Amino acid sequence: EVRLVQSGPEVKKPGESLKISCKGSGFSFTSSWIGWVRQMPGKGLEWMGVIYPRDSDTKYSPSFQGQVTISADKSFNTAFLQWNSLKASDTAIYYCATQVTVNSRPHYWGQGTLVTVSS
Amino acid sequence: QSVLTQPPSASGTPGQRVTITCSGSSSSIGSNAVNWYQQLPGAAPKLLVYNNIQRPSGVPDRFSGSRSGTSASLAISGLQSEDEAYYYCAAWDGSLNTWLFGGGTKLTVL
Repeated sequence: EVRLVQSGPEVKKPGESLKISCKGSGFSFTSSWIGWVRQMPGKGLEWMGVIYPRDSDTKYSPSFQGQVTISADKSFNTAFLQWNSLKASDTAIYYCATQVTVNSRPHYWGQGTLVTVSS
Repeated sequence: QSVLTQPPSASGTPGQRVTITCSGSSSSIGSNAVNWYQQLPGAAPKLLVYNNIQRPSGVPDRFSGSRSGTSASLAISGLQSEDEAYYYCAAWDGSLNTWLFGGGTKLTVL
């Protein structure tokens, strides 16, 4: 069974840094791409970017380039999404999802991580 | 503002058939497969239809997709109360080099 288990909810202040995780099991982590999708409160889905854990090749949506960093540790079958300086507008649920290639559909999804940024 | 356009809401009574539309461009839906996701309240999105018309294992055949030109549709027949959810279309955009999602359609079963 394909599973993506994400780290727990986070409450941070503006300007703080954060790294959330997504651990895969039940599939070949190094033969898949792992994408990240944002859902702001009461809003729709936005694709942020994707990483190939085998060689850490990473592609970002133009809207998120330079705003976040996607990384992975293939030894632990885990992908990460990182912010250096959070803003209140980063408050959202972040989902990870498997993709066969960069332009193939997000297929299996993690349960989501709620990030709240508030002073 | 989403580049794929969906109606914000749709509704139907149990047993009815409802259709949700998704409009894109030549570089998105016009050139690439459309996928549909169902998001139940408080849950992660779930892949419902992929490659325009295919259903993952376990998805009832009450759900069907289609694509024509730069538009796509999701039809739900034999509507059930558990179908009440948000539905999102998605397609790769080869010009923007990113995945696009529609704004979502909230389906209400009356």
